[in-house]
Amino acid sequence: EVQLVQSGVEVKKPGESLKISCKGSGYTFTSYWIGWVRQMPGKGLEWMAIIYPGDSDTRYSPSFQGQVTISADKSISTAYLQWSSLKASDTAMYYCARLYGDQYFQHWGQGTLVTVSS
Amino acid sequence: EIVLTQSPATLSLSPGERATLSCRASQSVSSYLAWYQQKPGQAPRLLIYAASNRATGIPARFSGSGSGTDFTLTINSLEPEDFAVYYCQHRYNWPGTFGQGTKVEIK
Repeated sequence: EVQLVQSGVEVKKPGESLKISCKGSGYTFTSYWIGWVRQMPGKGLEWMAIIYPGDSDTRYSPSFQGQVTISADKSISTAYLQWSSLKASDTAMYYCARLYGDQYFQHWGQGTLVTVSS
Repeated sequence: EIVLTQSPATLSLSPGERATLSCRASQSVSSYLAWYQQKPGQAPRLLIYAASNRATGIPARFSGSGSGTDFTLTINSLEPEDFAVYYCQHRYNWPGTFGQGTKVEIK
């Protein structure tokens, strides 16, 4: 069974850094794209970035390019999303998801809630 | 970046009725379109991919159609568990943007 388990709730201050994680199991981690989707409070879904752990190829939405960094450690089947300097507007639920091919988000993690507040 | 526009924003229906949701793309996405369901407090779930293919475990009352710029998700005979928010998403290119969602609520 494919499972994606995300790291827990984060409460941070503006300007702080953060790295959240998503551990995959039940499949060959290096053979599937995995990505991150943002959902701000009460809002819709936003495609952020995806990575192919096999060769670390990445794709970013222009809206998020330069704002976040996606990475993966294939030795521990874990993908990451990180910020160097958080803003209040980064407050959101962040979902990781494994893609079907390089196309659709087929399997989803449970979400990581990030709250940024002074 | 391709923009997906979903309509209506909210659909008020009773259990047993048919729901018809629309997703329109700002340019052709061929058949590279998916539909997701999201219930409150839960992660989204893939329902339909490549415009008309049901994902694993999705009941037959869910069906998708369309190609190019106009797509439809149909839910035949709504069950109580189908009241949720539905999103379309394209994968014609990157980023594979989402529509803004349609909420199907109990009338």
